[in-house]
Amino acid sequence: RKEVEQDPGPFNVPEGATVAFNCTYSNSASQSFFWYRQDCRKEPKLLMSVYSSGNEDGRFTAQLNRASQYISLLIRDSKLSDSATYLCVVNEGGGSQGNLIFGKGTKLSVKP
Amino acid sequence: DVKVTQSSRYLVKRTGEKVFLECVQDMDHENMFWYRQDPGLGLRLIYFSYDVKMKEKGDIPEGYSVSREKKERFSLILESASTNQTSMYLCASSLVGSSYEQYFGPGTRLTVT
Repeated sequence: RKEVEQDPGPFNVPEGATVAFNCTYSNSASQSFFWYRQDCRKEPKLLMSVYSSGNEDGRFTAQLNRASQYISLLIRDSKLSDSATYLCVVNEGGGSQGNLIFGKGTKLSVKP
Repeated sequence: DVKVTQSSRYLVKRTGEKVFLECVQDMDHENMFWYRQDPGLGLRLIYFSYDVKMKEKGDIPEGYSVSREKKERFSLILESASTNQTSMYLCASSLVGSSYEQYFGPGTRLTVT
C-alpha cells in the first residue's frame, strides 16, 4: 500500500521558534514531492514543491532524501500566522502519476 | 491564478436523496479529482479523471459516481446519500506535463441526516 507517514503533532511552539516536520513515503516510484498547508476548515494550498537538491522559500526550507524516502520541512522564526496543518504529499508514480498521496498532516500551533 | 469553484460551501441532505456536487476549474486543466476529508483519516481519493469522458475509481468509490462531460467541469454524484457520507468534499485539478501539483476548490461540507 502506498503511504505517506507524518507525526500528527500537535507541535506547540512560541513565536520565533524553529520547528521541523518530517515525513516518510513508501512508494519508490514517486517523482514529485510537496508540502501543502491547510488552515482550519479551509482547502489545502500548495506551500512549496520539494526538490532533490533542497530548496528554500523565505523562512521555509524543504529537503528530500530519496535513498531514505524521507522529506522534511523547516520553518524558521515562526509567526502566529504559520499556525495550520502541514501536509506532506508525493505523487503516485507509474500509470497514475498524476495522482497524489497525502499524509494525514502535522498540526502546528504557534503561540505568542 | 488557478481558480477551482464548487457549487456549495454547505449542504444538508436527507438519507436516500440523490446529491450532486459540482466542480468547475478555469485553467484548462486536464486532470480533475474528487476527495473526501474526515478527521483522523486525511484526504481520500474517490474518483479522478484525466480527460473529458474519462473517469477512474480512486481508493473509496463505493456509493459515488462521477461525470465529466466538459473539460472544465467534474461532477460527483451520491446516488442515495447515507449518513456515513457526511464529510468535507474537496475537488482539485492539475495540469498534464506539470509536476502534478493540484489546486483545490474551497470544499463542500455535506451533512446527511
